[in-house]
Amino acid sequence: NAGVTQTPKFQVLKTGQSMTLQCAQDMNHNSMYWYRQDPGMGLRLIYYSASEGTTDKGEVPNGYNVSRLNKREFSLRLESAAPSQTSVYFCASKSMTTRDEQFFGPGTRLTVL
Amino acid sequence: EDQVTQSPEALRLQEGESSSLNCSYTVSGLRGLFWYRQDPGKGPEFLFTLYSAGEEKEKERLKATLTKKESFLHITAPKPEDSATYLCAVQAGGSQGNLIFGKGTKLSVKP
Repeated sequence: NAGVTQTPKFQVLKTGQSMTLQCAQDMNHNSMYWYRQDPGMGLRLIYYSASEGTTDKGEVPNGYNVSRLNKREFSLRLESAAPSQTSVYFCASKSMTTRDEQFFGPGTRLTVL
Repeated sequence: EDQVTQSPEALRLQEGESSSLNCSYTVSGLRGLFWYRQDPGKGPEFLFTLYSAGEEKEKERLKATLTKKESFLHITAPKPEDSATYLCAVQAGGSQGNLIFGKGTKLSVKP
């Protein structure tokens, strides 16, 4: 099993450009999450999908949109990138049991110039 | 407001020098406390889940404990390969599995 995979690994954008970060998991998990990690800030939840067909805002959703394409895939879109969105983005997934741990992908390092 | 605070921010140890990392939390109805390890340039790697005060879990040189207000990650006789950032997170009651993370403790173990 590959676990949680993310593409791309690195990306540089200019202010105003758009892009989609891709995430897929092969563990048959129901819930999927997008976080951003900034120096000195810790991991902060952007959006999550508790189950296929549902999405909800997390702590820092402004400037982002998400799509739960199917049970395996959960994408994060930046419609008009801003320098404040320079960060490392992590996708995670977990099973239906609410107490189970989340499994994280390797991350996407995004720089917005 | 649910909150997680980790201390110290950074810790330098000599190989074999045991120590503890602290995670204090305020959360409405703790459903679980999680410890992760994160190596530079990689995603967090799950270590432990603790569910109730008094619970303890061990893995190799690591031992996690939980009280009603805080958790400790004890590192016994650490090795250089234990160097990493250790993250603590809590899941609050009523959440849909969402985690609230602390800022982490960066551990360096020198040979």
